[in-house]
Amino acid sequence: QLVLTQSPSASASLGASVKLTCTLSSGHSNYAIAWHQQQPEKGPRYLMKLNSDGYHTKGDGIPDRFSGSSSGAERYLIISSLQSEDEADYYCQTWVTGIRVFGGGTKLTVL
Amino acid sequence: EVQVVESGGGLIQPGGSLRLSCAASGFTVSSSYMNWVRQAPGKGLEWVSLIYNSGSTYYADSVKGRFTISRDSSKNTLYLQMNSLRVEDTAVYYCARESDDFGHFQHWGQGTLVTVSS
Repeated sequence: QLVLTQSPSASASLGASVKLTCTLSSGHSNYAIAWHQQQPEKGPRYLMKLNSDGYHTKGDGIPDRFSGSSSGAERYLIISSLQSEDEADYYCQTWVTGIRVFGGGTKLTVL
Repeated sequence: EVQVVESGGGLIQPGGSLRLSCAASGFTVSSSYMNWVRQAPGKGLEWVSLIYNSGSTYYADSVKGRFTISRDSSKNTLYLQMNSLRVEDTAVYYCARESDDFGHFQHWGQGTLVTVSS
């Protein structure tokens, strides 16, 4: 079964960097994922597609502060130079034929 | 500019029906993979349904047999017909268009709230 696992919460200081993790279930370590951001009281926004080799393509207008990387079954979202508006929920998402799957989301707090 | 705008949400009693609409601009709905995603209050995102450009449709187990996804090419609009609604269907429903290489959601709407309550 295709499952994405995320830590429920993370925190980092203003101006620092943070690395959020999304783990693919066993047997699916070569899958690509996407990262989405949801700021408080807003709809989700597409950030990037991230392949198993770490190659990523970002959505329109996504700042250079956002990047992605991969290692085995883990997919990472790295946010550098954290700003207050980065405080949001972050979801990873993947897909197979006829099914779309979300991780449980990580709530990022900017201290 | 690609844009999707949902409408049709509201308050409905358990067992009732509701049809959501997603009006698209900047692209052709019938040429795209389109999805409905929902978010219950205080919860995460849950995929609900998908329609391929071929017309094939897919559903989450939680809504299978109760919800129907469809589209109208003449109106460039996506729909979600929701029947036999339950309290647990209460959520904000989002329309999302997949990227041209399919699989990941590239464009999201602002959502429409469906409240199922007596």
